[in-house]
Amino acid sequence: DVKVTQSSRYLVKRTGEKVFLECVQDMDHENMFWYRQDPGLGLRLIYFSYDVKMKEKGDIPEGYSVSREKKERFSLILESASTNQTSMYLCASREQYFGPGTRLTVT
Amino acid sequence: GIQVEQSPPDLILQEGANSTLRCNFSDSVNNLQWFHQNPWGQLINLFYIPSGTKQNGRLSATTVATERYSLLYISSSQTTDSGVYFCAVINTNAGKSTFGDGTTLTVKP
Repeated sequence: DVKVTQSSRYLVKRTGEKVFLECVQDMDHENMFWYRQDPGLGLRLIYFSYDVKMKEKGDIPEGYSVSREKKERFSLILESASTNQTSMYLCASREQYFGPGTRLTVT
Repeated sequence: GIQVEQSPPDLILQEGANSTLRCNFSDSVNNLQWFHQNPWGQLINLFYIPSGTKQNGRLSATTVATERYSLLYISSSQTTDSGVYFCAVINTNAGKSTFGDGTTLTVKP
């Protein structure tokens, strides 16, 4: 079975902090994705990557950046967290296999 | 971009009942998936179904690509079927998934 893990299940950060969300997959997939999910807005794509060191903006990239230094790991970075980035963050491998999600609260 | 509409937005069933969830999309697609999100937030892929019909136990799905819709059938529903069902499509040109807003299913014992 494909396994996608995310570094934290719950995270609480303060406004202005730099936040790293990590995602690791164990199936050597090239494609990895970061989404955020908010009530009433569904899943929205933030960034995706088709290979190491490659990244593409999704629908809502503002306020986020990503890093893909190794094939198995795709990191989402909030450079300066804000309260409107409080959300559920979901990582996916190959758009088919999702991690358990990280519920981030920014206070 | 491509529009994905799911209906109904909410559905409440008694255990044992059958249901049909619908996903309409506005443009040609080369991939369509159905997901179930459980109450803890985990998204599980149910079907990869760009066209045709597939069955997995009590669940089955049909996609009619030429008419731009897909249906998810749940038979003999169980309380564990509760959660949100998402349809996600990949448009031929976009190369990335667009999700519908989901159908929230509640199955009562």
